[in-house]
Amino acid sequence: GIQVEQSPPDLILQEGANSTLRCNFSDSVNNLQWFHQNPWGQLINLFYIPSGTKQNGRLSATTVATERYSLLYISSSQTTDSGVYFCAVFMGSWGKLQFGAGTQVVVTP
Amino acid sequence: DGGITQSPKYLFRKEGQNVTLSCEQNLNHDAMYWYRQDPGQGLRLIYYSQIVNDFQKGDIAEGYSVSREKKESFPLTVTSAQKNPTAFYLCASGQNTGELFFGEGSRLTVL
Repeated sequence: GIQVEQSPPDLILQEGANSTLRCNFSDSVNNLQWFHQNPWGQLINLFYIPSGTKQNGRLSATTVATERYSLLYISSSQTTDSGVYFCAVFMGSWGKLQFGAGTQVVVTP
Repeated sequence: DGGITQSPKYLFRKEGQNVTLSCEQNLNHDAMYWYRQDPGQGLRLIYYSQIVNDFQKGDIAEGYSVSREKKESFPLTVTSAQKNPTAFYLCASGQNTGELFFGEGSRLTVL
């Protein structure tokens, strides 16, 4: 099946720093989502981004589908950005979202 | 409020007991999903349903069962056959675009 690899696995940031998270996938995908899992476990939708670039406040994402990767940018990080960031790809079979292992982000004051 | 409601949030079970986790959505989504998450891991697909009265096994369906009698509801039963049921269970719904929305999760602990 499709492989979804996220890097780095862990990231420690000082408040105010910028960072880039990467998601590589091994095959063509129909769509891609980025999620933030908060300390209570809930998955929050960040971006639904099959291709191109989107921005939402301090977060932005870029997917280059032809080269099979996506990037999530966090600018001016805040402690509330801490948590696990997952990318998930939607494969050809309807409804099967395949998750990466996640990037654990810790933002220190 | 529109969204996906999972209950209970926390559940304790004795070994050998079946337990049912509830998932309800009022987003009018056709598809619903159950994922399992173990500590420090990603999410793995248990079952999914694209339409009422139909569902398919995901990657780790053994020891679980589901039903889809109504569009809004997709309950998951963790049976005694599931060897290691302690985990965090997440329900999601979506349309055929593949964009999924998740509930707050149910944390099951087997004593």
